[in-house]
Amino acid sequence: AQSVTQPDIHITVSEGASLELRCNYSYGATPYLFWYVQSPGQGLQLLLKYFSGDTLVQGIKGFEAEFKRSQSSFNLRKPSVHWSDAAEYFCAVQQGAQKLVFGQGTRLTINP
Amino acid sequence: EPEVTQTPSHQVTQMGQEVILRCVPISNHLYFYWYRQILGQKVEFLVSFYNNEISEKSEIFDDQFSVERPDGSNFTLKIRSTKLEDSAMYFCASSEDGRSTDTQYFGPGTRLTVL
Repeated sequence: AQSVTQPDIHITVSEGASLELRCNYSYGATPYLFWYVQSPGQGLQLLLKYFSGDTLVQGIKGFEAEFKRSQSSFNLRKPSVHWSDAAEYFCAVQQGAQKLVFGQGTRLTINP
Repeated sequence: EPEVTQTPSHQVTQMGQEVILRCVPISNHLYFYWYRQILGQKVEFLVSFYNNEISEKSEIFDDQFSVERPDGSNFTLKIRSTKLEDSAMYFCASSEDGRSTDTQYFGPGTRLTVL
């Protein structure tokens, strides 16, 4: 069965600094990969997704992610974080047609 | 922008009681889902639903759980006799047509507390 690991439970960065959130997956074929963000009191919002093609995927809010098959990774990046980026970030892989398998989540705190 | 809504935002119940969590999916979506997140744990898939039938369910989704689309807009999750371990955040999601490349849109969640 597919699985997703987010090694960092909590990350703190300063406003304006760059950000990389790690995600590793376990899947035999080409995975369908997603990053979702959850702000307090909000639902899970899709940031970006990868199905095939270009391994560098652009998303909303200035985020991007790179699919690296050799490393089984799909890390999320942002060149300069804003205080409004403080949230919980979830990496997920599609299992079958409809089921998403999520990682543990990474809580991002932004220092002013 | 259309969004998935869920009510209530927080539900407190006594162990053994029945609860119904409600969701209004995006109006033109055909596939509906429930996920849950126990505090400190991963978001877990519970069930997917299409054309008034369960299309897939996890091992968590036992006989205590049921789902229903009682009318053209609502999608509900019923827990028949709640247990302490059912305390979690429950997320509803919907997607347009259920293809593996389709995006699931999530609601804000209902926090269920079982005392």
